[in-house]
Amino acid sequence: VQLVETGGGLIQPGGSLRLSCSDPKFTVSSNYMTWVRQAPGKGLEWVSVIHRDGNTYYADSVKGRFTISRDNFKNTLYLQMNSLRAEDTAVYYCARAPGGFLNFDYWGQGTLVTVSS
Amino acid sequence: DIQMTQSPPSLSASVGDRVTITCRASRGIANYLNWYQQKPGKAPNLLIFASSSLHSGVPSRFSGSGSGTDFTLTISSLQPEDFATYYCQQSYSTALSFGGGTKVEIK
Repeated sequence: VQLVETGGGLIQPGGSLRLSCSDPKFTVSSNYMTWVRQAPGKGLEWVSVIHRDGNTYYADSVKGRFTISRDNFKNTLYLQMNSLRAEDTAVYYCARAPGGFLNFDYWGQGTLVTVSS
Repeated sequence: DIQMTQSPPSLSASVGDRVTITCRASRGIANYLNWYQQKPGKAPNLLIFASSSLHSGVPSRFSGSGSGTDFTLTISSLQPEDFATYYCQQSYSTALSFGGGTKVEIK
């Protein structure tokens, strides 16, 4: 399994960006899928998760600005990021957990989001 | 939200040393605790899940223990490929969280 994230890039403060994550070898909707980010030189920060049942949860730092979703037909996970701030600059990873213990066993390579004017 | 505190933030050790990293939760999380290893420029890799279960393919020199609020990750005999940063992660709450990380460096 090799998750692939796309959609990162340079964006101005206040702008929007949508990240995508997919792997043809497994079904996104059958797993718990998460986004985790890492600012340059910093540790891991959990961003959001979507459960198998479709319930979604967010870190306080992104609540109201970011939306996690999935397209079951396209077998793709998304992270819609609005009202971006400089402090959102980070490498964004998607990862999957096969069960309710939310131990993330497969990760993407990461996509860099840079928020700067 | 549940805060995860790791200690120490960094440590220096030699090949063959026994290394212990601690992770403390701000409230009880039963055994909903996972450990990851991350090397520079790479995605994290799962080492331990459910506090003490070794993920498939992970060497047996890695072990985890603990329940409630206090957890440890132990490397019984440090190998050159183990120099990396280690993170704990709780999955007890719907709002997940990671510890701040422990960087293991070569002495």
